[in-house]
Amino acid sequence: DTGVSQDPRHKITKRGQNVTFRCDPISEHNRLYWYRQTLGQGPEFLTYFQNEAQLEKSRLLSDRFSAERPKGSFSTLEIQRTEQGDSAMYLCASSLVVLGQFFGPGTRLTVL
Amino acid sequence: TQLLEQSPQFLSIQEGENLTVYCNSSSVFSSLQWYRQEPGEGPVLLVTVVTGGEVKKLKRLTFQFGDARKDSSLHITAAQPGDTGLYLCAGSSGTYKYIFGTGTRLKVLA
Repeated sequence: DTGVSQDPRHKITKRGQNVTFRCDPISEHNRLYWYRQTLGQGPEFLTYFQNEAQLEKSRLLSDRFSAERPKGSFSTLEIQRTEQGDSAMYLCASSLVVLGQFFGPGTRLTVL
Repeated sequence: TQLLEQSPQFLSIQEGENLTVYCNSSSVFSSLQWYRQEPGEGPVLLVTVVTGGEVKKLKRLTFQFGDARKDSSLHITAAQPGDTGLYLCAGSSGTYKYIFGTGTRLKVLA
């Protein structure tokens, strides 16, 4: 296993378009997180899955954001009707226990 | 609301110098992690500390968890250009959630 992978690494889209990102966690990890990070800031929590159940979604997320983790394996994060303020690095992380997370390389989104 | 404040925000030093980065909160954490992040990449886990007063060493990096488990420090000895990056601390209260600090951007000049 080579760690957490994310696809795509970069996405440029026009305002109003929908985008979907994929995260493949470390295979035995049952916990999966999505974060958003803007330049010079720490990661900001978006949502958390334990197996296939989405246990928490940040109040900072609007209804335009949705995440899924079918069968408790890979996860997708969809942003509908993108806005320029959505431009950021979207990070996925996985873990087995609450003693640290393993992050993917991130997907950098640019909304024009 | 739990917050983790890191200081300094920015640090630029010469190769060979020592430095310390601080991570402070008014909240108690059951565990605390340190990460290093390079531009365009995700954070990489360096260490997890769980016991108050715990000290862990990773080559030239020394991590300490405060006795009251509210703060932590990262000390780098004889910094090298390869240490350049964004250093992040993150705390957990024992549930699934992690709170990330504001980050310290370190630049080590050759």
